Amino acid sequence: EAGVAQSPRYKIIEKRQSVAFWCNPISGHATLYWYQQILGQGPKLLIQFQNNGVVDDSQLPKDRFSAERLKGVDSTLKIQPAKLEDSAVYLCASSTYRGRSTDTQYFGPGTRLTVL
Amino acid sequence: AQSVTQLDSQVPVFEEAPVELRCNYSSSVSVYLFWYVQYPNQGLQLLLKYLSGSTLVKGINGFEAEFNKSQTSFHLRKPSVHISDTAEYFCASVRAGTASKLTFGTGTRLQVTL
Repeated sequence: EAGVAQSPRYKIIEKRQSVAFWCNPISGHATLYWYQQILGQGPKLLIQFQNNGVVDDSQLPKDRFSAERLKGVDSTLKIQPAKLEDSAVYLCASSTYRGRSTDTQYFGPGTRLTVL
Repeated sequence: AQSVTQLDSQVPVFEEAPVELRCNYSSSVSVYLFWYVQYPNQGLQLLLKYLSGSTLVKGINGFEAEFNKSQTSFHLRKPSVHISDTAEYFCASVRAGTASKLTFGTGTRLQVTL
């Protein structure tokens, strides 16, 4: 079974530029998550999708971050414009269709973003 | 609100020695507890989880954890570590009965040396 795929793996941009990350969850997983992991901290949930609907985006900085999952499969996370403090690893995870609290979340390898 | 505290940011240990990584949680409601491992340049992988039942939970790679409600702890243990166990370990909790919004601790770096 293929795991969660993410691209790119690394990205370096200047502040105020835009950047987009892509995630392909495990086949059949309806729930998709985006996390931000700042160096020295644990991952923090940015947004959770159930199919193509948003379940929780309470910690997403909506003035600069956006995410979509148009067909309930792939997802894109965008930052526009980027700030220095956005430097982090962005992790995508997926879980089975119910998105229950007991479900195991499967994580991708992440995208390491450096903002200069 | 729930929170997870990992008491040690780094734990150095010699190969074949036992290890315990400490985790305490705080919540006014029932929670489920998880331990994830993150190898360098990789995503997180589930080691084990406690949902209910037996307080001793066995996971992959020889790890186990014990849920202690009175101490609000969920410490991770392994009786004999290997070099390949060198990684970052994260404890996480999620409020029982809700959509799975994990709250992670800050992580413990396990460094195994010869």
